[in-house]
This record gives sequence, structure tokens and C-alpha cells, in this order.
Amino acid sequence: NAGVTQTPKFRILKIGQSMTLQCTQDMNHNYMYWYRQDPGMGLKLIYYSVGAGITDKGEVPNGYNVSRSTTEDFPLRLELAAPSQTSVYFCASSYTHGTGEGYGYTFGSGTRLTVV
Amino acid sequence: DQQVKQNSPSLSVQEGRISILNCDYTNSMFDYFLWYKKYPAEGPTFLISISSIKDKNEDGRFTVFLNKSAKHLSLHIVPSQPGDSAVYFCAANSGNTPLVFGKGTRLSVIA
Repeated sequence: NAGVTQTPKFRILKIGQSMTLQCTQDMNHNYMYWYRQDPGMGLKLIYYSVGAGITDKGEVPNGYNVSRSTTEDFPLRLELAAPSQTSVYFCASSYTHGTGEGYGYTFGSGTRLTVV
Repeated sequence: DQQVKQNSPSLSVQEGRISILNCDYTNSMFDYFLWYKKYPAEGPTFLISISSIKDKNEDGRFTVFLNKSAKHLSLHIVPSQPGDSAVYFCAANSGNTPLVFGKGTRLSVIA
């Protein structure tokens, strides 16, 4: 059971380049999320999706785009990369936002992105 | 504006003693609270949760306490073990909204 899989694990981008961070889950979860973690700043929500074809902005969506064409996949697109997007990106999935006692989001292992 | 606050960036505890990690929140609508544990180069993993209708939830060595009037929750780890050394994130949400995370507390358990 793979859970949530993120690729790539590491990437270095030059300013102005674009890339797509891939995320796929095999738990048939409807809800998927992208968070970024900056040093000492916790996890901030970029975008989320409550099902195929439905996406919504989180706290820090600027500079990113998402799509959700299938239940399994939720790619995050960076257009015109900037140094401020240097961060560790985590994808997560869940049955719902409020998952009930004893459950929580399942996270991938992260993508470490450096923009130079 | 931080809705979930973890004011202690780090904590050191001796093996076998109790670790107490604290978390405060400002949104009175929050009704579900979780703790996540994160090792370096890994994603956060769910540890324990509590709903607002309770004031305590236990799972083995881990206990979470919720004080709604003070908008405060804490995670107790007894006894602490070296393998507990990690960053611990507090998270919360209300109804049908995504989780909001704190900045995390780095716990070091010293043998």
C-alpha cells in the first residue's frame, strides 16, 4: 500500500523556469491538499481539492496552479519560479477535512525545491 | 494572523521523563484538534487527535488534553524515549475546512 507518493524528491530550478510537482494517492480519498513548509514557519496551505474537477485556494496560492482530473492525482504547477518559492512541498489526502477522532491526513514524503 | 500557535520552538527532555508540548488557538470555531509528528526528510504522520466534546484522549504513551475555555491543548508523552525526538505539529479545523497547522516544536529526548 503506497499511500501518498510525491515526485520528484528534490529539484533545483532557475528563476523563471516552470515545473510540475506530482502527487498521487491509492487510498481512494476524495480530499487532497498541497502544503508548503518554510523553516520555522509550519505548514501553509496552498491549494486543496474535495474531488475530481473541484479545486480551491488555500492561504498562499499565488504563483501556483492545480488541477484534479482524477481521484488519484493532484499535480501542483509552478509557473515562473521565484526564490520565494524555495520550500519543502507536501501533498496530503483524506476522506474529509474533518476526519473524525482517530484519523488524520496522510502525507507524502515531500519535494524539496530550491529556486536559484 | 496565526490561528494555531506553538510558542516553544524547541524542548529537551531526559529519557524516561514526561514531555509536555503546548499549543494555543485563537479561532473559537475550531472543534477538532490533532498532533502530527515529523522526522527529518519525511512527511508528517498523524499521532493523536481530540474533538471539542472531550477534554482528554489517550493512546498508549501519548495523551492530549484540551482546555476549551483557555483555547489551549497539550500533548503529554510518558515516558519519553529517544525515538520520540522529532518535530511535533499541532493542527486544528472547524467543520468542513482544511487543517490549520502551528509552526511546530522540536523535541529532543536525551538518553
